[in-house]
Amino acid sequence: DAMVIQNPRYQVTQFGKPVTLSCSQTLNHNVMYWYQQKSSQAPKLLFHYYDKDFNNEADTPDNFQSRRPNTSFCFLDIRSPGLGDAAMYLCATSREAGSGQPQHFGDGTRLSIL
Amino acid sequence: AQTVTQSQPEMSVQEAETVTLSCTYDTSENNYYLFWYKQPPSRQMILVIRQEAYKQQNATENRFSVNFQKAAKSFSLKISDSQLGDTAMYFCAFMYHSGGSNYKLTFGKGTLLTVNP
Repeated sequence: DAMVIQNPRYQVTQFGKPVTLSCSQTLNHNVMYWYQQKSSQAPKLLFHYYDKDFNNEADTPDNFQSRRPNTSFCFLDIRSPGLGDAAMYLCATSREAGSGQPQHFGDGTRLSIL
Repeated sequence: AQTVTQSQPEMSVQEAETVTLSCTYDTSENNYYLFWYKQPPSRQMILVIRQEAYKQQNATENRFSVNFQKAAKSFSLKISDSQLGDTAMYFCAFMYHSGGSNYKLTFGKGTLLTVNP
């Protein structure tokens, strides 16, 4: 089945140690998104790629970076994780950016910071 | 700024009964889209239903239907014949054109629905 796959499901890292979360999709969608979701809160958009065009949200910390080497893969890099970065990170895709295209979500990666 | 408000942090319903989750939003946009997403415990978020703001007819997907009141900026979700598998966090979301090729999806804080046997 076509889907959005996030690896790993659970990630533990140390305070200040860089970490990379990965997302892949078999939907061949043009747009890929990264959201941060803290406990009992709504998902918050960090950034998205429309094809190779990177779009950063104004309030996304510089600590967060992203790479999209090809259509299928997108990575979230956290350069120096702090305790406040512990959260669920959701990857999503959509065929196009507009026209009310729904977003398809992965299972998420739960990041813990020691 | 676009905001989405879900005033019910938690709700519960008995199996087979009907429940309505409320959602209001604030926007000056005229063209936008509204969604309800469902996030079961420890599972992925999935789309429940989608509404185009320019359509007056309320969207329906099997047991799920919406009551879209554009003038009141209200978008409630009705779940009929509730099933145990409907237990989840439900997010109301609003999509609008934020400039260029960017369309932003803004979520409400969610309503945790528990279906009791």
